[in-house]
Amino acid sequence: GAGVSQSPSNKVTEKGKDVELRCDPISGHTALYWYRQSLGQGLEFLIYFQGNSAPDKSGLPSDRFSAERTGGSVSTLTIQRTQQEDSAVYLCASSTRSGGREQYFGPGTRLTVT
Amino acid sequence: SQQGEEDPQALSIQEGENATMNCSYKTSINNLQWYRQNSGRGLVHLILIRSNEREKHSGRLRVTLDTSKKSSSLLITASRAADTASYFCATVLWRNSGYSTLTFGKGTMLLVSP
Repeated sequence: GAGVSQSPSNKVTEKGKDVELRCDPISGHTALYWYRQSLGQGLEFLIYFQGNSAPDKSGLPSDRFSAERTGGSVSTLTIQRTQQEDSAVYLCASSTRSGGREQYFGPGTRLTVT
Repeated sequence: SQQGEEDPQALSIQEGENATMNCSYKTSINNLQWYRQNSGRGLVHLILIRSNEREKHSGRLRVTLDTSKKSSSLLITASRAADTASYFCATVLWRNSGYSTLTFGKGTMLLVSP
């Protein structure tokens, strides 16, 4: 079946502009995660959605970052007033439920802020 | 802070040789997972080992877990050029929200030369 998809695959934006990154999880997966990976670094947890519960936003680095998940499926990560330090690969993953289950990752969106 | 830390940071070997990567973690775990990442993009789940397991095999992969030492190792036997990638261990992190997510180390970059 289809895996996790993300769009766009690459995004170049000017400092100060807003960007939206999209994630389509695997159908039926109730848990959805956003991570950020800067060059040569590990994954930094950003936000987690589980079903219809309130998201865990504890990883968001600033109030410029927000995310929503509509209908328990597609998710959008929004970064307002982008800064150069926001440049990274943004990865989305989904799993059948929480509890440290295996996660299925999308190919990521490479964001470059100039 | 990172829960898991991989060692070494980088490893370069010849095709046919075995590659061993290690992961240390800090707190008790339910399970530990290894992922592979090619070209700085999406991660692929390789293997999951539960806290009550000591060793697990999957094809050319062998994972060991020593909960007393809070460490795990990933062995890739008879390596191939296609195994060139970054390898991450991931452990469960319980968040204040009451849910758990995976936390990843910074990874070991493996280069397999023909």
